Amino acid sequence: ILNVEQSPQSLHVQEGDSTNFTCSFPSSNFYALHWYRWETAKSPEALFVMTLNGDEKKKGRISATLNTKEGYSYLYIKGSQPEDSATYLCAFYLAAVGFKTIFGAGTRLFVKA
Amino acid sequence: EAQVTQNPRYLITVTGKKLTVTCSQNMNHEYMSWYRQDPGLGLRQIYYSMNVEVTDKGDVPEGYKVSRKEKRNFPLILESPSPNQTSLYFCASSSFGGGSQPQHFGDGTRLSIL
Repeated sequence: ILNVEQSPQSLHVQEGDSTNFTCSFPSSNFYALHWYRWETAKSPEALFVMTLNGDEKKKGRISATLNTKEGYSYLYIKGSQPEDSATYLCAFYLAAVGFKTIFGAGTRLFVKA
Repeated sequence: EAQVTQNPRYLITVTGKKLTVTCSQNMNHEYMSWYRQDPGLGLRQIYYSMNVEVTDKGDVPEGYKVSRKEKRNFPLILESPSPNQTSLYFCASSSFGGGSQPQHFGDGTRLSIL
């Protein structure tokens, strides 16, 4: 069974802190990696689609990097705000075995004002 | 408005009573998928469909059926629900499978099987 690991499981920060999370995935048969933001009582929303080793994506204060050779991706949030409080999910897509999607369990971020 | 619509949003039912959760998307997406979300486990893929009449198992297909007779609809069928299928279910779609495009999620269906 292929596993996607996210760390930490949860994170408490103060408003204005910068933070980062990790998504680890199998380095073989990589096709794509997605990051999603999931607020309580809502549905997950896509942040980034990453397909190439060395990819760096940015949206406002949030950015992500990808290392497919070693099997990890980092998500960074600069100057966290209370509205950033959410669960951040990564999803790994295999190049083989059909087009299965494997999600990590997520990192739950709490930003205190 | 582009959206993925799931129905019902909430359902409490009893063991063994067949149920269907509908999913419809209005974006002409080829790829559709069902997930269940349980505490501490993240989203686990149940079934997915690359296009009409093409479906494949995800990681947790046991006890579920799906069909893809039309591009916009991808219903999830529980023929004989059991308590271990109590969960939060999400339907999602994307323009293509394989991960080159992001998935768009429905609002979720919370099922309780007594």
